[in-house]
Amino acid sequence: AQTVTQSQPEMSVQEAETVTLSCTYDTSENNYYLFWYKQPPSRQMILVIRQEAYKQQNATENRFSVNFQKAAKSFSLKISDSQLGDTAMYFCASAGDNNDMRFGAGTRLTVKP
Amino acid sequence: KAGVTQTPRYLIKTRGQQVTLSCSPISGHRSVSWYQQTPGQGLQFLFEYFSETQRNKGNFPGRFSGRQFSNSRSEMNVSTLELGDSALYLCASSTAVGNGYTFGSGTRLTVV
Repeated sequence: AQTVTQSQPEMSVQEAETVTLSCTYDTSENNYYLFWYKQPPSRQMILVIRQEAYKQQNATENRFSVNFQKAAKSFSLKISDSQLGDTAMYFCASAGDNNDMRFGAGTRLTVKP
Repeated sequence: KAGVTQTPRYLIKTRGQQVTLSCSPISGHRSVSWYQQTPGQGLQFLFEYFSETQRNKGNFPGRFSGRQFSNSRSEMNVSTLELGDSALYLCASSTAVGNGYTFGSGTRLTVV
């Protein structure tokens, strides 16, 4: 099974600025996947970005990008040009081919106007 | 295309009762996973079903059970409810774990 650690319970950023959320993980799987999910106050969990561990290139989705450091087992999320709508809980997750996805404790991000 | 549908959205039960929650996955998604979300414990994995078979199970007592039907719809049941079972229960479906999960809006269970 995977274990995922998010060491920043809360963060804040000014609108239009850039913020980076940290995540470390541990897994015994040879093949695994990493994800960032967003949960706004409406409580719907939304997939933000995904990374396949065997790919060295960091994933990017519009304003969202990751810094995947496989040797360090680190998977941080960078949000550029932060918007008020980015205010949410952000969860890092890891899953192996055993179809068992585990989540970190989450980081509460507040974007300030 | 319709998303993951969870019913009911809210539920209030008395300690000692049992409850059944329902989840209809996205059409074509055969894997359904259940999570319990609480402020103190975060997202805790309950179980995962694929083609009516439980493939993975988290570390929850036997009071928590689930099943999946031939149309991929899933139910989870909690018997002998305790106050600590109050939580948001999330269901997620996928075609394959590597593609990520699509979550439902959850069922908020309150045990009084």
